[in-house]
Amino acid sequence: AQKITQTQPGMFVQEKEAVTLDCTYDTSDPSYGLFWYKQPSSGEMIFLIYQGSYDQQNATEGRYSLNFQKARKSANLVISASQLGDSAMYFCAMREPYANNNAGNMLTFGGGTRLMVKP
Amino acid sequence: NAGVTQTPKFQVLKTGQSMTLQCAQDMNHNSMYWYRQDPGMGLRLIYYSASEGTTDKGEVPNGYNVSRLNKREFSLRLESAAPSQTSVYFCASSHTPGTANTDTQYFGPGTRLTVL
Repeated sequence: AQKITQTQPGMFVQEKEAVTLDCTYDTSDPSYGLFWYKQPSSGEMIFLIYQGSYDQQNATEGRYSLNFQKARKSANLVISASQLGDSAMYFCAMREPYANNNAGNMLTFGGGTRLMVKP
Repeated sequence: NAGVTQTPKFQVLKTGQSMTLQCAQDMNHNSMYWYRQDPGMGLRLIYYSASEGTTDKGEVPNGYNVSRLNKREFSLRLESAAPSQTSVYFCASSHTPGTANTDTQYFGPGTRLTVL
């Protein structure tokens, strides 16, 4: 079963508008971490934001915020005031407790969402 | 402060050839990782090294070997390349889980490998 699901293969947003990228996850452990990465066309993976499962507040980093709904197992990324430079692939990833797998701090990635910002 | 660096950026191999991908980090991280990204997909873990002197298999280790040369460097070797290993390879590093406020993984720029 997929552990990280991103249901939107591609999305368009008008420049300066806000956009939400969906991510749902599946884990039975109470301790885990959720990450969002951006991958522009140049190919590098850029860390955007992190949410720990015990964090009481939603994470925010500049124009990025994470809408964390623990009971629904969702961790949606919200980008406010979209810019042309936000056009990229966005990946949601989960880190489960390293005691639960043989790969330490292994991240499990979703399939990604391609965001295209229209001028 | 270069972060995570990888060499080479691009490589074309013939089936059966061998090569080593190099990775280095200057963030004083204990843990290092190798991932592969196939077209249209997320990343999958090949091998990781929790600390200098240790390595362990990840999700897709077959056909690869690794060496943690020192705290800074972690290399990935393909002994006999196959077309199925055509992919983009990313190296990453992080603090050891449980030892710091954050164990966020930071990635290198990637190596695009084509096996003919």
